Amino acid sequence: DGGITQSPKYLFRKEGQNVTLSCEQNLNHDAMYWYRQDPGQGLRLIYYSQIVNDFQKGDIAEGYSVSREKKESFPLTVTSAQKNPTAFYLCASSIQGGNEKLFFGSGTQLSVL
Amino acid sequence: RKEVEQDPGPFNVPEGATVAFNCTYSNSASQSFFWYRQDCRKEPKLLMSVYSSGNEDGRFTAQLNRASQYISLLIRDSKLSDSATYLCVVNRDGGFKTIFGAGTRLFVKA
Repeated sequence: DGGITQSPKYLFRKEGQNVTLSCEQNLNHDAMYWYRQDPGQGLRLIYYSQIVNDFQKGDIAEGYSVSREKKESFPLTVTSAQKNPTAFYLCASSIQGGNEKLFFGSGTQLSVL
Repeated sequence: RKEVEQDPGPFNVPEGATVAFNCTYSNSASQSFFWYRQDCRKEPKLLMSVYSSGNEDGRFTAQLNRASQYISLLIRDSKLSDSATYLCVVNRDGGFKTIFGAGTRLFVKA
């Protein structure tokens, strides 16, 4: 079955540590996105990528980094510079990055120890 | 002021009730509009796109008023399984600027 796979489902970060969230899709979609969701708030865009080897900052990119070396994969690293990383992280993809449907992964809950 | 605003609720309704959610957006350059449904701690899933002419999908009806910058979602004959958070979503700037509302929480009771 085609879809987006995020891992892990739960992740704990120690202070000063970088952690990487995985996102893989087999939908052959060009565009991929990372969102952060905090309780009672809408999703906020961290980074997005329209094609391989290219990505753009979203609204809240500080303290995060991404790579897009393969079409299928768009990992997100939460660096130690992100001082409030506890949130629900959602990866999404769309066919071409226009006004079309977003397909989401099942999310990763990141918490700070 | 947030670019997309929704009443957070929660809305508590009995099974079989009709419930309406409203959403307003502030950027007149917004191009496309959607309602997503999100269950607790799960990913959002597209419920329906919203068109100026209005559109219906079974028990769900969506309306868009561009002049008033207002979107609505009507759910008829509510089911227990409709309990979820409903997210109003607006696209602009060629689609890469997707703004999510904070969501409206619905509880349907037996």
